[in-house]
Amino acid sequence: DGGITQSPKYLFRKEGQNVTLSCEQNLNHDAMYWYRQDPGQGLRLIYYSQIVNDFQKGDIAEGYSVSREKKESFPLTVTSAQKNPTAFYLCASSIFQGARNEQFFGPGTRLTVL
Amino acid sequence: SQKIEQNSEALNIQEGKTATLTCNYTNYSPAYLQWYRQDPGRGPVFLLLIRENEKEKRKERLKVTFDTTLKQSLFHITASQPADSATYLCALDGSSYKLIFGSGTRLLVRP
Repeated sequence: DGGITQSPKYLFRKEGQNVTLSCEQNLNHDAMYWYRQDPGQGLRLIYYSQIVNDFQKGDIAEGYSVSREKKESFPLTVTSAQKNPTAFYLCASSIFQGARNEQFFGPGTRLTVL
Repeated sequence: SQKIEQNSEALNIQEGKTATLTCNYTNYSPAYLQWYRQDPGRGPVFLLLIRENEKEKRKERLKVTFDTTLKQSLFHITASQPADSATYLCALDGSSYKLIFGSGTRLLVRP
């Protein structure tokens, strides 16, 4: 089955800790994205990557970091610098970057800071 | 500033009726507009894409219109079913080929 997987589904973190969210896709897509979703709000773009070893900041990159060492993988680290990290995090991919390409989303990771 | 507006109030309709959801935007001139469905606690699923030179697009019971003069897209579900209950998100192309998402409208279809 082709698709995107995210793990874990639920994640709890203590304040001051870094945490890494996993995102893997086997769709052979070039572009990958990380979004954050808060209740009653739209998806906000954190980081995106058009190709391996390259990534760009989105609209709310502060306090987050990413890597793209493999085409299939785009992990997101939520650092202690992120002031309000409790949210639902969604990873997505598309064949190429651009709004004419549909995005395929993973099931999401719900992060709660205790 | 750029803005996408979807009705934050839930749309509550009777099974079998047509649901119509609205997406308005300001200070954009999108070439593409997409609609997604999102169920609670899950990732969005792509439904339809419409280009600026297309007035209407259909897929089974779904229809999307794109009026670049009114800066509005309408999303219709005909013969709605309880299984259509979900949140529907519109998204359009922002700068640097990124997708900008609206906050979504929740649809409730009563049996």
